[in-house]
Amino acid sequence: GQNIDQPTEMTATEGAIVQINCTYQTSGFNGLFWYQQHAGEAPTFLSYNVLDGLEEKGRFSSFLSRSKGYSYLLLKELQMKDSASYLCAVVLSGAGSYQLTFGKGTKLSVIP
Amino acid sequence: KAGVTQTPRYLIKTRGQQVTLSCSPISGHRSVSWYQQTPGQGLQFLFEYFSETQRNKGNFPGRFSGRQFSNSRSEMNVSTLELGDSALYLCASSPPPSGVSYEQYFGPGTRLTVT
Repeated sequence: GQNIDQPTEMTATEGAIVQINCTYQTSGFNGLFWYQQHAGEAPTFLSYNVLDGLEEKGRFSSFLSRSKGYSYLLLKELQMKDSASYLCAVVLSGAGSYQLTFGKGTKLSVIP
Repeated sequence: KAGVTQTPRYLIKTRGQQVTLSCSPISGHRSVSWYQQTPGQGLQFLFEYFSETQRNKGNFPGRFSGRQFSNSRSEMNVSTLELGDSALYLCASSPPPSGVSYEQYFGPGTRLTVT
């Protein structure tokens, strides 16, 4: 079966740095996504990693280790608007075929 | 470019009824995927369509079905509704693969409540 784990909830202070971890055990791997989802809204794309290493995009960075089945999303200079759920998702299928398996999401609360 | 649109946005149905949800992908996107989101299970993959063919299917009962039309618009149908089908149903469309990118763009979802 497919198993993707991430913490259920996290709290961090405005201006701080927070790291959200994701571990996965899946049959097949063609990359890992991070999505942000505000309450009542659709998920929006944050990052995509398929090779090991760190991808940086402004205040957000994402890291992948395929050998360890591990990824993290790093958010710097936290702002109140970063309060949202962060979803880790693994791409299972290849050859242009799309099937994402999601973790249950990490609800991040940013406090003043 | 217009985003992914889903209709209706909200729906209330009674147990035993059936429902059809619609999704229009971003222009030029031929792959459409459907997901069910509930507080307990998170986002779960239902199925994916490409060029009117179902390419992938998740672990949902046969009451959940879908189809895609020649203009890439997609519908999903749930028959014999159960209380547990109450959820947010999200549709996502994907552009033709670019390198190794499998990015999906999500619509706003249809919130289905079964009473």
